[in-house]
Amino acid sequence: AQTVTQSQPEMSVQEAETVTLSCTYDTSENNYYLFWYKQPPSRQMILVIRQEAYKQQNATENRFSVNFQKAAKSFSLKISDSQLGDTAMYFCAFMNYYGGSQGNLIFGKGTKLSVKP
Amino acid sequence: ETGVTQSPTHLIKTRGQQVTLRCSSQSGHNTVSWYQQALGQGPQFIFQYYREEENGRGNFPPRFSGLQFPNYSSELNVNALELDDSALYLCASGQTTGTQYFGPGTRLLVL
Repeated sequence: AQTVTQSQPEMSVQEAETVTLSCTYDTSENNYYLFWYKQPPSRQMILVIRQEAYKQQNATENRFSVNFQKAAKSFSLKISDSQLGDTAMYFCAFMNYYGGSQGNLIFGKGTKLSVKP
Repeated sequence: ETGVTQSPTHLIKTRGQQVTLRCSSQSGHNTVSWYQQALGQGPQFIFQYYREEENGRGNFPPRFSGLQFPNYSSELNVNALELDDSALYLCASGQTTGTQYFGPGTRLLVL
């Protein structure tokens, strides 16, 4: 069974600084997706970034980027120029890819990020 | 905003009752998944519907059931509520490209 581990329950960063959130996963599959979702106190789960396992290039979305190490089964999220609005729970998630059929998301326990002014 | 809506936003029930939660998928999406998120935890997969058929199920008992309608709206039904069913219930819709987009959730409290 696939598992996702986030080893940092809580982190804090100063506004405008850079922070990296860690995630490791375990799978025997070769085709899958990895995601980072953000859940602010409003509780709506918002997609931050997505990575396809077959792509060697790391995904980037504005201030958010990932370091995807497939052999090490590691998928960290880097947030540059942190903003107060980045304060939220961040969940790493894994999904098997079944070639046209959508799998289900397997989530880690989350990292609570606080951005301080 | 993801275009995925859920109702109601909050609900209080007593043990043994039944509850129905509703979800309206984003336009163009053909799958809908339901997740249970206990306080302080990551979401846990309940089940997924694709073209009105159940397309995968997590480790939840049969008293958790669902429906998907032709307009891709969906229901989650929970019978014989237990105290441990108190949680945030999240609906997510998507296409076969993999990304799932979440609704705002329904907070269920079982007393």
